[in-house]
Amino acid sequence: QSVLTQPPSASGTPGQRVTISCSGSNSNIGSNYVYWYQQLPGTAPKLLIYRNNQRPSGVPDRFSGSKSGTSASLAISGLRSEDEADYYCAAWDDSLSNWVFGGGTKLTVL
Amino acid sequence: QVQLVQSGAEVKKPGASVKVSCKASGYTSTSYGIGWVRQAPGQGLEWMGWISAYNGNTNSAQKFQGRVTMTTDTSTGTAYMELRSLRSDDTAVYYCASGGPHSSSWYDYWGQGTLVTVSS
Repeated sequence: QSVLTQPPSASGTPGQRVTISCSGSNSNIGSNYVYWYQQLPGTAPKLLIYRNNQRPSGVPDRFSGSKSGTSASLAISGLRSEDEADYYCAAWDDSLSNWVFGGGTKLTVL
Repeated sequence: QVQLVQSGAEVKKPGASVKVSCKASGYTSTSYGIGWVRQAPGQGLEWMGWISAYNGNTNSAQKFQGRVTMTTDTSTGTAYMELRSLRSDDTAVYYCASGGPHSSSWYDYWGQGTLVTVSS
């Protein structure tokens, strides 16, 4: 029962564009930035998007983030097999005074 | 380049304590914080708490308050997370992650993770 809600799975074919949603509330997404992490199988999470839509150095521009109200989304264009991973959204929660995560979305590249 | 290196896997019995270390390198000052995030087998990420490398201030999730202690050794750049009264559902990979100097700062860098298994 994660505070942020993500679909458990998503899929697409190579070259396709996929989006992953993340829903929260006024105390987290509604009032703070959203972050996205990519976790490849058997590895630690890696920062993918920060402050809603910013990419750290080295992250391809195929990855983009957006936020509206209490929801956010991650878009991946030009899907590649190496994008197959778990994706987590995160935000600071002002009511809890801690970080909250989504339950994660497993992306499968068909 | 910032790097976080964690201690090795642990096996503990229920009721015991575990202390995981996280050595940070590549920082030129102590203006950063270390967060602790765990991941139970096949599950998502769960934030446990945070400690400032600058002044040792901490903030922990209510779920873990009273059971977790986070410390830091500025002389070696190592952070520690001790979890007491272990239960089987504490079996997880424990990650340290570093970021800006505030509890609400996001995490740029992650350690490799430490598997803690709680079993009788």
